[in-house]
Amino acid sequence: SQQGEEDPQALSIQEGENATMNCSYKTSINNLQWYRQNSGRGLVHLILIRSNEREKHSGRLRVTLDTSKKSSSLLITASRAADTASYFCATDGNDYKLSFGAGTTVTVRA
Amino acid sequence: NAGVTQTPKFQVLKTGQSMTLQCAQDMNHNSMYWYRQDPGMGLRLIYYSASEGTTDKGEVPNGYNVSRLNKREFSLRLESAAPSQTSVYFCASSERQGRGYTFGSGTRLTVV
Repeated sequence: SQQGEEDPQALSIQEGENATMNCSYKTSINNLQWYRQNSGRGLVHLILIRSNEREKHSGRLRVTLDTSKKSSSLLITASRAADTASYFCATDGNDYKLSFGAGTTVTVRA
Repeated sequence: NAGVTQTPKFQVLKTGQSMTLQCAQDMNHNSMYWYRQDPGMGLRLIYYSASEGTTDKGEVPNGYNVSRLNKREFSLRLESAAPSQTSVYFCASSERQGRGYTFGSGTRLTVV
């Protein structure tokens, strides 16, 4: 069964706007990771945040982690058409196997 | 280019046929994984290999077998394909457990 659940399922924004998506999970984790998947392609690793970290940045990406609420968020700032993709959170639990959510589909309109 | 290479990219099988999906990585990663992706369900782990010489079942192993041939290669075998195995299959590798994964571009398999 899926560990992470993303919300919303789909998101449509204007170029230049920010996009925020959330991930909730059920059991304790060692780390949480975010991946991007462009249509018809493999997943690309974006960022990893460890359970003892609260916030992490990478370029236009900002990830937060709240282990007390078992939730994470991914913020993409100043979105571009190239950000159109599906975004997945993945939790790495005590068994060190990544468990993926169903993803959020982001469409950036020009 | 460094990364994870999967072959074939597309395959159509008849029910009952067998086939092997190949995966190779050139990053000297220790851990390798096979996932399947179905619409609306995210990725589900089929089998994984934490290190050369070991393999373990994931969430949906029934109908599949794997071989960690060496550190670079991890193959997935369907012994008797069923329509329920129609899916996109992804191989991934990581330096070790607890790190980010590098994914291949996938194999789109249709079983008729």
